[in-house]
Amino acid sequence: EAEVAQSPRYKITEKSQAVAFWCDPISGHATLYWYRQILGQGPELLVQFQDESVVDDSQLPKDRFSAERLKGVDSTLKIQPAELGDSAMYLCASSLRGTGAYNEQFFGPGTRLTVL
Amino acid sequence: QQQVKQSPQSLIVQKGGISIINCAYENTAFDYFPWYQQFPGKGPALLIAIRPDVSEKKEGRFTISFNKSAKQFSLHIMDSQPGDSATYFCAAGHNNNDMRFGAGTRLTVKP
Repeated sequence: EAEVAQSPRYKITEKSQAVAFWCDPISGHATLYWYRQILGQGPELLVQFQDESVVDDSQLPKDRFSAERLKGVDSTLKIQPAELGDSAMYLCASSLRGTGAYNEQFFGPGTRLTVL
Repeated sequence: QQQVKQSPQSLIVQKGGISIINCAYENTAFDYFPWYQQFPGKGPALLIAIRPDVSEKKEGRFTISFNKSAKQFSLHIMDSQPGDSATYFCAAGHNNNDMRFGAGTRLTVKP
């Protein structure tokens, strides 16, 4: 069964350092999402891509976070510099097509980030 | 950011009982209401979803009830089993965009 792949699964870093997370969506899925899930809370959408284009990054803290999906396939989320409050699970999800459709979002296992 | 309110925060049910989780939303533009199930160390997985043109949707032991006028929807798990023990999230979005999640309900089903 096709799955969304994420790496690394766990990351420990010190504040002010740079971190990067990678996501490989299910093959053929045009829409890719990055979510942040703080412990005890629901996922919060950070950025949504349709193919290689950003369609929603209104909740992305752009002073320190960046995301790219250069060839419309896999994606990287970067934080620079990391802050203590960034400690969370970072989830990637993909769907066949996002805008104008009701396709299921498939989530990856996430990357657990701890900032010391 | 919090446009979907979920309750209760935690729920303990005996095996065979009914688990009920409630959600309320604010944005009337929302037209897609999924429920996700998340086990520890895993990403959320879609359980069941409803659109506002129906008031109820049932899949096996899982039922969504939807009240458009009250802007509320709920998940009912019939004949709850220990394997249902997980965290459940409701969500709401428009055309599967800008999905807003509730804070989650940790369900424990006791044998």
